[in-house]
Amino acid sequence: GAVVSQHPSWVICKSGTSVKIECRSLDFQATTMFWYRQFPKQSLMLMATSNEGSKATYEQGVEKDKFLINHASLTLSTLTVTSAHPEDSSFYICSASPQGRAAFFGQGTRLTVV
Amino acid sequence: AQKVTQAQTEISVVEKEDVTLDCVYETRDTTYYLFWYKQPPSGELVFLIRRNSFDEQNEISGRYSWNFQKSTSSFNFTITASQVVDSAVYFCALSGDNQGGKLIFGQGTELSVKP
Repeated sequence: GAVVSQHPSWVICKSGTSVKIECRSLDFQATTMFWYRQFPKQSLMLMATSNEGSKATYEQGVEKDKFLINHASLTLSTLTVTSAHPEDSSFYICSASPQGRAAFFGQGTRLTVV
Repeated sequence: AQKVTQAQTEISVVEKEDVTLDCVYETRDTTYYLFWYKQPPSGELVFLIRRNSFDEQNEISGRYSWNFQKSTSSFNFTITASQVVDSAVYFCALSGDNQGGKLIFGQGTELSVKP
């Protein structure tokens, strides 16, 4: 299957700092990527759709100024959690679809804000 | 609105038992895609299957099989002769035709296979 790589796998940061998470499609070009968030023992919830060369589309209730998304190339999308707080601690995972139908996921990033 | 329901929150079986994970979905799209993913404790999401709405054939892959029934809006997943390594959370998901891979996930079923 297609390969999507996410980095870092885990990160611990201090409250008030910003954290950047990268999502790369390694063997295909992705004009669209998706960012999900998963709290412990819960399902995955879509946060935003990352569009190459244009603004991201955010789901209702997701603060666009807090979760900055940049999709500057066809193989890379980044999610920056700005001014992180303990409630932002979660598992963040990205996905991309080589042909728009089969979604492949990155390894996920476990963010802990202390 | 689209919705996926996995009514079984947790299932516990003994190794070698067969187990079926239920998935019921709601959508108004005539063309859509259904998925199953496995999430082991490491957190990654492992793709298991994708099925489009026009293909109701059941599928078998080794010990895994899937039963898609549009009449009941269900896409159930059966593991035959379960093994301890099958222990994980399993998610059923739905994607509309024009959403380019954007997925709506069910709540997940945590499967525990005991030796």
